[in-house]
Amino acid sequence: KQEVTQIPAALSVPEGENLVLNCSFTDSAIYNLQWFRQDPGKGLTSLLLIQSSQREQTSGRLNASLDKSSGRSTLYIAASQPGDSATYLCAVGDMRFGAGTRLTVKP
Amino acid sequence: ETGVTQTPRHLVMGMTNKKSLKCEQHLGHNAMYWYKQSAKKPLELMFVYNFKEQTENNSVPSRFSPECPNSSHLFLHLHTLQPEDSALYLCASSHYAGTGELFFGEGSRLTVL
Repeated sequence: KQEVTQIPAALSVPEGENLVLNCSFTDSAIYNLQWFRQDPGKGLTSLLLIQSSQREQTSGRLNASLDKSSGRSTLYIAASQPGDSATYLCAVGDMRFGAGTRLTVKP
Repeated sequence: ETGVTQTPRHLVMGMTNKKSLKCEQHLGHNAMYWYKQSAKKPLELMFVYNFKEQTENNSVPSRFSPECPNSSHLFLHLHTLQPEDSALYLCASSHYAGTGELFFGEGSRLTVL
């Protein structure tokens, strides 16, 4: 059974820092991996989708990488802003989600 | 606006009530999903429909009854719920089940008294 883990559970950084969020999974036979952002009381907003054949995807200040052999994905956020404060979740396929990393960017 | 609309956004019901949650997607997708998000727990997949056919039921109690009349609409019928069923219920869609990018609605916050 696929297990998805996100570390750390919470992260607080000052504005302007570059940061990395981690997602690990136990079964490397994945179809894709998706990163989401969730604001309090809201739905999930898709940030990046990485297909199993890809190594990374980029969108603006966000870069996500995928290493299937080690069962890891990272989400890199450059030059963080207070508006980036949210919970970030990773999902393996459409079945398994991590518990999320709650990010706070302080002005 | 993600193209996935859920109603109602908030619902309070007693344990003996019957209510329904509705989800509609305007993305031309073929797969629709229900997820449950409880406090301090990861998102849990409940049901998957692909081309109107249910392809996944993740051991969900029968007091939750899904209905998918077409690829654009998904319902979750609720009856005889328990207080522990209080949660945020999220609907999502993708081109095909298991393969595509997921797009979520804003969710329906359910409180069972």
